Amino acid sequence: DQQVKQNSPSLSVQEGRISILNCDYTNSMFDYFLWYKKYPAEGPTFLISISSIKDKNEDGRFTVFLNKSAKHLSLHIVPSQPGDSAVYFCAASANNAGNNRKLIWGLGTSLAVNP
Amino acid sequence: EAQVTQNPRYLITVTGKKLTVTCSQNMNHEYMSWYRQDPGLGLRQIYYSMNVEVTDKGDVPEGYKVSRKEKRNFPLILESPSPNQTSLYFCATWTVMNTEAFFGQGTRLTVV
Repeated sequence: DQQVKQNSPSLSVQEGRISILNCDYTNSMFDYFLWYKKYPAEGPTFLISISSIKDKNEDGRFTVFLNKSAKHLSLHIVPSQPGDSAVYFCAASANNAGNNRKLIWGLGTSLAVNP
Repeated sequence: EAQVTQNPRYLITVTGKKLTVTCSQNMNHEYMSWYRQDPGLGLRQIYYSMNVEVTDKGDVPEGYKVSRKEKRNFPLILESPSPNQTSLYFCATWTVMNTEAFFGQGTRLTVV
């Protein structure tokens, strides 16, 4: 059972417009959420994160929004650039028994930003 | 420079021939983990380790072994590889205080 769901396998956006990538989760114990970006033939790289005590975190062109009541988070990229074309993974973690912080991953959304 | 180093980057092997993929980190992170990435299945956790001599199964541990004898190293062992273990493998590390994981460059394994 997928605890972290990225329901859109792919997204295509025009350069300069906003890209919105969505992520839903089912486990209310998750208290930390992360977005990673992955280019082909490379490992994922950390992009931005948000703690469950916040509803927004911004870093340059990237903003993550968290709606705890809806168990939903989204990543906004404004303005989108061709170099943003990559697979974006949403991940979540909870402080489990024994201080075990396991990361739970979504399946990823492939973003294509067209010039 | 913070680094997670996996070796080899590419490997083609035959069914049944034992192999080891190494992972080393220089950040003194407590957590290390192995993932495999397959089309349409995202990143699936194979094994993880919370610290030296502490390992646990992830979501798809069958056919794999790991060890954590030192904090910096977390090798992935395939005792008898099979074609269904053909995949792209990633090692990742993070701390208990900060789950912003660092990933290695990946190992593309083909078992024929």
